[in-house]
Amino acid sequence: GQNIDQPTEMTATEGAIVQINCTYQTSGFNGLFWYQQHAGEAPTFLSYNVLDGLEEKGRFSSFLSRSKGYSYLLLKELQMKDSASYLCAVRDRTGGGNKLTFGTGTQLKVEL
Amino acid sequence: EAQVTQNPRYLITVTGKKLTVTCSQNMNHEYMSWYRQDPGLGLRQIYYSMNVEVTDKGDVPEGYKVSRKEKRNFPLILESPSPNQTSLYFCASSLRQGPQGAGYTFGSGTRLTVV
Repeated sequence: GQNIDQPTEMTATEGAIVQINCTYQTSGFNGLFWYQQHAGEAPTFLSYNVLDGLEEKGRFSSFLSRSKGYSYLLLKELQMKDSASYLCAVRDRTGGGNKLTFGTGTQLKVEL
Repeated sequence: EAQVTQNPRYLITVTGKKLTVTCSQNMNHEYMSWYRQDPGLGLRQIYYSMNVEVTDKGDVPEGYKVSRKEKRNFPLILESPSPNQTSLYFCASSLRQGPQGAGYTFGSGTRLTVV
């Protein structure tokens, strides 16, 4: 099975930088995803890592260390609209090779 | 527009009354999946399908059925709904091969209440 841990809640200030951590345990690792989800809406894709290192995409960056089972999502220049839940998801080679197992999400609140 | 379409968005039903939630995608994706989302438990996979006529159980399949007669459609069937199936349901699809970063495209969700 899999175990994915991420903080339940975080609060940050508009314009600041926030880092959301995710640790995981899995066999057959085949990629890690970050999704953003506003309340009552569908998750939307933010980033993907399969090799160690940093992937940058505008204000969002994601880092992966496979040996440590660790990833983080970095959000820069925070805006009020970034208040949402951020889901870490791990893909492994079970379930047809395309199953995503999700963490319970980190609820980010951006304040003035 | 590339999308996954779920219907209905909201549904209130009574215990034991069979219902179907439809899911359709227009991206020619081979892989489709159903998740339920509950507070504190996150998204959990119910069933998935790797292609037409190929389906398998996810982590929480009890009380649900699916079918995949056509590539674009993947309905979720609750033969005898119970209150513990009250949840927010998402359908998702993706390519089975191809860009590894493709991930899932999610439908808009169906909020089901069973009374």
